[in-house]
Amino acid sequence: EVQLLESGGDLVQPGGSLRLSCAAAGFTFSSYAMSWVRQAPGKGLEWVSSISGIGGGTYYADSVKGRFTISRDNSKSTMYLQMNSLRAEDTAVYYCAKDPNQFRISWYFDLWGRGTLVTVSS
Amino acid sequence: DIQMTQSPSSLSASVGDRVTITCRASQTISTDLNWYQQKPGKAPKLLIYTASNLQSGVPSRFSGSGSGTDFTLTISSLQPEDFATYYCQQSYITPRITFGQGTRLEIK
Repeated sequence: EVQLLESGGDLVQPGGSLRLSCAAAGFTFSSYAMSWVRQAPGKGLEWVSSISGIGGGTYYADSVKGRFTISRDNSKSTMYLQMNSLRAEDTAVYYCAKDPNQFRISWYFDLWGRGTLVTVSS
Repeated sequence: DIQMTQSPSSLSASVGDRVTITCRASQTISTDLNWYQQKPGKAPKLLIYTASNLQSGVPSRFSGSGSGTDFTLTISSLQPEDFATYYCQQSYITPRITFGQGTRLEIK
C-alpha cells in the first residue's frame, strides 16, 4: 500500500528542538521530491520545506529558514525535519507530502500522511 | 509571495446542488493551480492539478477551470461526502508555493 507515516511530534518548550520523521512505503521513494506542509490549529495550509529526490536540492519557507533542516535517507525511505529554536507560532500539525512526478519537482502533492502534532508551549 | 484569495470563505449548500468555488491569484500564474479537499481531522486530498486535470480516483463531478489569475472549482451535484474544506494552491512561483485560505462547504 502506498502510504506516508509521520512521527516525532510532541510538546516542546520555546527555544527547544524536535526531529520529525516521515516513513514512506509502496513507491520508489528516491525518485520523488518530498515536502513538509503544516497547519496551525483551526488555520489553513502553509508550505514549510521541500527536498528533491536525490537530496541535492532543499528549499525552505522564510518563516523557518535558518531554524529547520530537511533531509532524507533514501536507503530507509524516510524523510526528516530537524526543528530548532522553536517558537509558539510553529505549533501545528505537520504533514509530509509526496510530489506526483518522478525525477523533478512539480510543487504540488498527490499523497499526504496523517500528520503529527507539534506543540510549542511553556 | 503570491496571494491566493478564495471566495466565498464559507458556503452552505444541499445535496444535489451545483457549487462553484473561486480562487484568485495576486498575479498571473498561468495554469499552475491545484485544488485539495480536506475533511476534519484528515490530511488534504488532491482533487485537481494544473487547473483542470482530474486526479486519478476523484469523481467526475469535480472539475476545475481557469488560467492567469482567476480559477474555479465546480462540483456538479453535491454528495454527502463532499462537505469539507477546499483549498487552492499555486505552483507557479517556486519554491514559494502558497495556498488559499480555504472554503468551508457546509450542509444547508
